Amino acid sequence: QKEVEQNSGPLSVPEGAIASLNCTYSDRGSQSFFWYRQYSGKSPELIMSIYSNGDKEDGRFTAQLNKASQYVSLLIRDSQPSDSATYLCAVNGRNNFNKFYFGSGTKLNVKP
Amino acid sequence: GAGVSQSPRYKVAKRGQDVALRCDPISGHVSLFWYQQALGQGPEFLTYFQNEAQLDKSGLPSDRFFAERPEGSVSTLKIQRTQQEDSAVYLCASSLGPILSGGVVDTQYFGPGTRLTVL
Repeated sequence: QKEVEQNSGPLSVPEGAIASLNCTYSDRGSQSFFWYRQYSGKSPELIMSIYSNGDKEDGRFTAQLNKASQYVSLLIRDSQPSDSATYLCAVNGRNNFNKFYFGSGTKLNVKP
Repeated sequence: GAGVSQSPRYKVAKRGQDVALRCDPISGHVSLFWYQQALGQGPEFLTYFQNEAQLDKSGLPSDRFFAERPEGSVSTLKIQRTQQEDSAVYLCASSLGPILSGGVVDTQYFGPGTRLTVL
């Protein structure tokens, strides 16, 4: 079992719709969770960080964390074609906080 | 301010050659990470520095891989006797603080990466 699992996609949504990206993780002791966006050929850039159960909103983005279910999600409202990218979920380990585990990413296509 | 920079951006090596990849973190950032990213995959952790101390090298795939950060700023990842399976993008990331207790960690900021191709 991989430490972080994501559906590879592609997830296709029309412009203006809500895109929902999901991530599950295996280490129940993980405490820090991040969503990164990665355009093709570019390096990951931070979208959101979340540390506590519940929702965290930043503009069109909402991260949701449920530690009991070991589940992290990212909602993108009013999706734009410029949101088309691969979204990476990252989680740190319990026994090794500095060790980050990334999922393989979900490719999002927003169609005009 | 300036972000994380890496050089070279592209490197082609013949199998068996040694390569050195450089990372300049954001000024003042204590923590520095190296990752390896294969095509279509997420980044895989290689190693972590807090200032000049290499606190975790558990992700280095073999003893051909070596990383250093002698003065607590610039870091170099060296790969000896490169093999075709070493072909990947090598990403460097830095974060402001050390790893905090309780598992809460700062955001990592990534450099543009070095694309290594081993022929």
